[in-house]
Amino acid sequence: AQKVTQAQTEISVVEKEDVTLDCVYETRDTTYYLFWYKQPPSGELVFLIRRNSFDEQNEISGRYSWNFQKSTSSFNFTITASQVVDSAVYFCALSENQYNFNKFYFGSGTKLNVKP
Amino acid sequence: SAVISQKPSRDICQRGTSLTIQCQVDSQVTMMFWYRQQPGQSLTLIATANQGSEATYESGFVIDKFPISRPNLTFSTLTVSNMSPEDSSIYLCSVDPRGLAGIHEQFFGPGTRLTVL
Repeated sequence: AQKVTQAQTEISVVEKEDVTLDCVYETRDTTYYLFWYKQPPSGELVFLIRRNSFDEQNEISGRYSWNFQKSTSSFNFTITASQVVDSAVYFCALSENQYNFNKFYFGSGTKLNVKP
Repeated sequence: SAVISQKPSRDICQRGTSLTIQCQVDSQVTMMFWYRQQPGQSLTLIATANQGSEATYESGFVIDKFPISRPNLTFSTLTVSNMSPEDSSIYLCSVDPRGLAGIHEQFFGPGTRLTVL
């Protein structure tokens, strides 16, 4: 079974629209971390946010906001007033402690196309 | 945070040859990781590399195909051996500088974009 599921393969929006990227995760650990990364066409992975399993507060950073709900094992990402520069592939990831290191599991990614 | 560089940034290789990818970190880290990202796919962990010990490979990856070196706390190499077109991917190294403190975070290098003809 997938540890991290991003059901939306590709989303297209017009600039200034709001868009939400879904992420559902699966873990038996009580302590874990969730992440979002952005991968623009250039290929590098850009870290966006990290949340630990004990902090369910939603977070807002500029046009970005994240909704963490343990009850539904979801960690959704919303971009408000999208811009063309937001076009990228977005990955959700789960980190669990495995023996002597923290293992990351990545979702399959959601490609976001923001059209002018 | 950690700043990571990789060499080469991209390469085009002939099948049957090998390519060694270098990963340099600007600080000493215990854990380094190598990932593969096939075209249009997600990241898959190849192996975990600790300094002074053999790399630990994930299911589906073997040392003969992907030998890894970790000579010190700031450097690692991944070799893609006897390449075939299926090895065309982006290869990324990453570090987890505070993992032993129970703080999960991972920083990624810029990636090496490999095309095998």
